Formats: sequence, C-alpha cells, structure tokens
Amino acid sequence: AQSVTQPDIHITVSEGASLELRCNYSYGATPYLFWYVQSPGQGLQLLLKYFSGDTLVQGIKGFEAEFKRSQSSFNLRKPSVHWSDAAEYFCAVVSQTGANNLFFGTGTRLTVIP
Amino acid sequence: EPEVTQTPSHQVTQMGQEVILRCVPISNHLYFYWYRQILGQKVEFLVSFYNNEISEKSEIFDDQFSVERPDGSNFTLKIRSTKLEDSAMYFCASSGGITDTQYFGPGTRLTVL
Repeated sequence: AQSVTQPDIHITVSEGASLELRCNYSYGATPYLFWYVQSPGQGLQLLLKYFSGDTLVQGIKGFEAEFKRSQSSFNLRKPSVHWSDAAEYFCAVVSQTGANNLFFGTGTRLTVIP
Repeated sequence: EPEVTQTPSHQVTQMGQEVILRCVPISNHLYFYWYRQILGQKVEFLVSFYNNEISEKSEIFDDQFSVERPDGSNFTLKIRSTKLEDSAMYFCASSGGITDTQYFGPGTRLTVL
C-alpha cells in the first residue's frame, strides 16, 4: 500500500540559509508525488509535483524537489529561506487504486529565525 | 485565478447534531474530494466523487457521512450525528482530470462540543 513518511516533525532554519525537507514514499509503481504548503489558518497550496520525466522539478516560491527512485525519496529544497516560508509542509502521493486521492505525510513544521 | 471556496469557515455544533459543510469547486472540474485534518495530525482522505457518485471512500467515511452534489456548483459533506472526534478541519478539493492536480479550499473548522 502507498504511504509517505516525513521524518522531521519540526525544522528551524535561519533566514537566508538553505533548506531541505525530507520525504520518503512507499509505492508499487512510478508514483505521482506532490509537495503542499499550509500557512497557519490557511488551506493547502501546491508547491510542485512530479508525474514523470525530469527528476528535478521546479515549483513556486523558489522551491524545487528531486525524485530519487533508488532512495524512494522526494526531498524539497530551497537555496535561501525567507521568513515568509515559515509554514507546515506536506508531502503527498497519489493513491494506487485509481481514484486519485492523496495520501499525505505527517508534515514538517518550518520555523524561520531572523 | 479560479479557486475552491468553502463555507462556513468555522462551525460549532453540539454532539449528535447534523452538520453540512459546503464547497464550491473550480467550475470546470469533474473530480471532487473531501479530506480532514484533526488538530496536529496529518491530512486524511475521506471520499472522492465523480459523475455523481462516490468513486472511493476511506474507512473513516462511515454511514454517518454522506456527500452530494445538489446542483451544478456545490459539493457538500454531511455528518448525520456528530461525535466529539469529528472535530477537525475539513478540506474540499477538486481536479479537472483523474491525474490532474487537486486544488484545495481554505477549509472549514468543525468544533463538536
């Protein structure tokens, strides 16, 4: 069965520092993978997605993620974090059952310090 | 830019009462979803809906839950007799195709007292 693991519950970085949020998936075939961001009190906003093709995908707000099949990972990166990036980040994979529903990881809360 | 909207933003109800959460998906989308997020936990899939019928539901989506698309624009989630453990943020999402990106609404926070 499909699943997503986000090993880091909470990460704190300084503004301007680089960021990497980890995501590992379990999936029987080539997965469709997503990163969503949730600001406090807000809904989920799509940052980027991977369906196929180039394993390095670019998203909004300067984020990118790399799909590594050998490591079953889809880590999210940003070279220089801004204070406005403080939020909860969720990795998700599409269900294998065909209904296209998403399975989410438990999320990583990002704190940015000045 | 089109967006998914949800009403109300916050609903407070007594245990045992019925609630209806409303969503207006993006207008040309065909696939609709409900998810929930209990405070401090991950987002969980409840149900997907296509062509006026449920296409998939999770084990959370028991007989107390139902969904409906009463007209061409709204998509509702009804909880017949709310329990304390139904307190959560409920998100609606829609997509244009089976493999297309799902766009999420801002959520309805349901508090059951």
